[in-house]
Amino acid sequence: AQSVAQPEDQVNVAEGNPLTVKCTYSVSGNPYLFWYVQYPNRGLQFLLKYITGDNLVKGSYGFEAEFNKSQTSFHLKKPSALVSDSALYFCAVRGDGGSYIPTFGRGTSLIVHP
Amino acid sequence: NAGVTQTPKFQVLKTGQSMTLQCAQDMNHEYMSWYRQDPGMGLRLIHYSVGAGITDQGEVPNGYNVSRSTTEDFPLRLLSAAPSQTSVYFCASSRVAGGFDSPLHFGNGTRLTVT
Repeated sequence: AQSVAQPEDQVNVAEGNPLTVKCTYSVSGNPYLFWYVQYPNRGLQFLLKYITGDNLVKGSYGFEAEFNKSQTSFHLKKPSALVSDSALYFCAVRGDGGSYIPTFGRGTSLIVHP
Repeated sequence: NAGVTQTPKFQVLKTGQSMTLQCAQDMNHEYMSWYRQDPGMGLRLIHYSVGAGITDQGEVPNGYNVSRSTTEDFPLRLLSAAPSQTSVYFCASSRVAGGFDSPLHFGNGTRLTVT
């Protein structure tokens, strides 16, 4: 069975500082990893994905994510946080050795303080 | 291109009432799914479909029915609403033909309160 862990319910960071939101996973086969963002009263929006290739993936709004196969991690990063980045972030995974249905983490609330 | 459209945005029901949450997508996606989102619980999959005429149960299917008569529409029916079904419901779709790397596209949700 595939699984996703987001170990932090909440991450606090000051505006202008770098941010990291953590995600680890377990799948059968090759992993396909995604990050989504949810702003208040909205649906989830796709931010970026990893398939194969470069371990550093760049996405929307200046976000990037680092894939680490040995640590089975896919952490979301941004060099300089903005107050407007405050939102709920979800990591999701599919494994091509299993079902097409993605598995989501429980989400991490990112709060960027002015 | 509207993407995934959910209606209504808000709904209040009394216990025992039934209703249908509508979901439509205009991207010709084969895969469609319904999630509920509750505080501290993340997203939980209710039902999903990989094409017209094909549906299957997710993690929390009890009390809900779905059908998929067209590629575009995937309505979720609450048969007899209960307070435990108070939640925010999201519909999501993606291309299956695109492979495992196709991201989900989400609607903006329906906030349901059952009193």
